[in-house]
Amino acid sequence: KAGVTQTPRYLIKTRGQQVTLSCSPISGHRSVSWYQQTPGQGLQFLFEYFSETQRNKGNFPGRFSGRQFSNSRSEMNVSTLELGDSALYLCASSLAPGADYGYTFGSGTRLTVV
Amino acid sequence: GQQVMQIPQYQHVQEGEDFTTYCNSSTTLSNIQWYKQRPGGHPVFLIQLVKSGEVKKQKRLTFQFGEAKKNSSLHITATQTTDVGTYFCAGEDDKIIFGKGTRLHILP
Repeated sequence: KAGVTQTPRYLIKTRGQQVTLSCSPISGHRSVSWYQQTPGQGLQFLFEYFSETQRNKGNFPGRFSGRQFSNSRSEMNVSTLELGDSALYLCASSLAPGADYGYTFGSGTRLTVV
Repeated sequence: GQQVMQIPQYQHVQEGEDFTTYCNSSTTLSNIQWYKQRPGGHPVFLIQLVKSGEVKKQKRLTFQFGEAKKNSSLHITATQTTDVGTYFCAGEDDKIIFGKGTRLHILP
């Protein structure tokens, strides 16, 4: 079966712009989580969605937002980009919220802000 | 807030030697997961531990969950070059928190 699909794979944006990243979970998976990965901070939790509702949110500013659609696909938006937002953004899907079923990660979107 | 600390940050071992990474949480966890990320890749789920004192094995990998459900370890016996990567633990309290990972280098 198809894995978690993230688009685009690479993105270069300018400071002040906004960006939207997309994540299509594994078929049947209804929970989608987003993470930011940087060499210094490791994997940091952004938010988790289940049934189109945000279930949990990490400690990121309001410039980071997301949503989930009825088909479980999710988008993440970052507005007013800063240089420090350069990172690998990973999406992970699971059958349901919580860790009981393990998370399957996508290959990520590498965002570079210049 | 909840914190998950993982040590060591880096580990170099000779091929064939054993390797252990440790994970400690500031709070009691409902469960803990382990992931492996190869260089240039994305994290891949390895295993989940739920019960206090639980031990699980996957071939040369042994995973343990502490009695207090606040710490965990991953032990690899007789490392091979295919074991290279970063190993992350992820603890769940009210949300999933990842440790910063242990990067394993194998010296031939």
